[in-house]
Amino acid sequence: QVQLQQWGAGLLKPSETLSLTCAVYGGSFSDYSWSWIRQPPGRGLEWIGEVNPRGGTNYILSLKSRVTLSVDTSKKQFSLKLSSVTAADTAVYYCARDSSDRFGGYNWFDPWGQGILVTVSS
Amino acid sequence: QSVLTQPPSVSGAPGQRVTISCTGSNSNIGAGYDVHWYQQLPGTAPKLLIYGNSLRPSGVPDRFSASKSDTSASLAITGLQAEDEADYYCQCFDTDLFGYVFGTGTKATVL
Repeated sequence: QVQLQQWGAGLLKPSETLSLTCAVYGGSFSDYSWSWIRQPPGRGLEWIGEVNPRGGTNYILSLKSRVTLSVDTSKKQFSLKLSSVTAADTAVYYCARDSSDRFGGYNWFDPWGQGILVTVSS
Repeated sequence: QSVLTQPPSVSGAPGQRVTISCTGSNSNIGAGYDVHWYQQLPGTAPKLLIYGNSLRPSGVPDRFSASKSDTSASLAITGLQAEDEADYYCQCFDTDLFGYVFGTGTKATVL
């Protein structure tokens, strides 16, 4: 049973960099790509981007200039950095496993991490 | 803003059938990409409910079914149960955004 466990700072000031990490337990890391998805309070889901085991990335256009995804295959971990955060970045951030290691529209997301609420406030 | 539109809410009595629509366009569902569905219980992470337009992962009850046609998709819950009260989201890939998109979400209420 694959499990994803995520951690990172939950309170940031405007202009700081959001940094989250997700660890994979109980399954293969190298056979899948890995995604980050966020959900503002009381609102819907927004996919942020995905990273494959070789470090290749694909980001949503609206966040591309501020997002960096990376992987550490030796630790079975992947990470999200989002720079210059504002209040609009306040959300629960989820990590999730793609259904394959391919980019280009083939994937669904399962399983998901537990989620971390990141609040941006001065 | 989401490119996949869902009704904000649906409701039904226990045992009834409800359906949730997911309306897209020729840059996502209409382009041939598969639609997937998630269930989000209050205060929890989303859970995969349907993948590949109509396939149920192991452990998902067969009262959940889904289909896709042209630029839209739908999720049906037959024999509605109290434990089905949740938010439901569709998901697809969009060629204009070159990224994955989720529907606006639908809150299902059991009366």
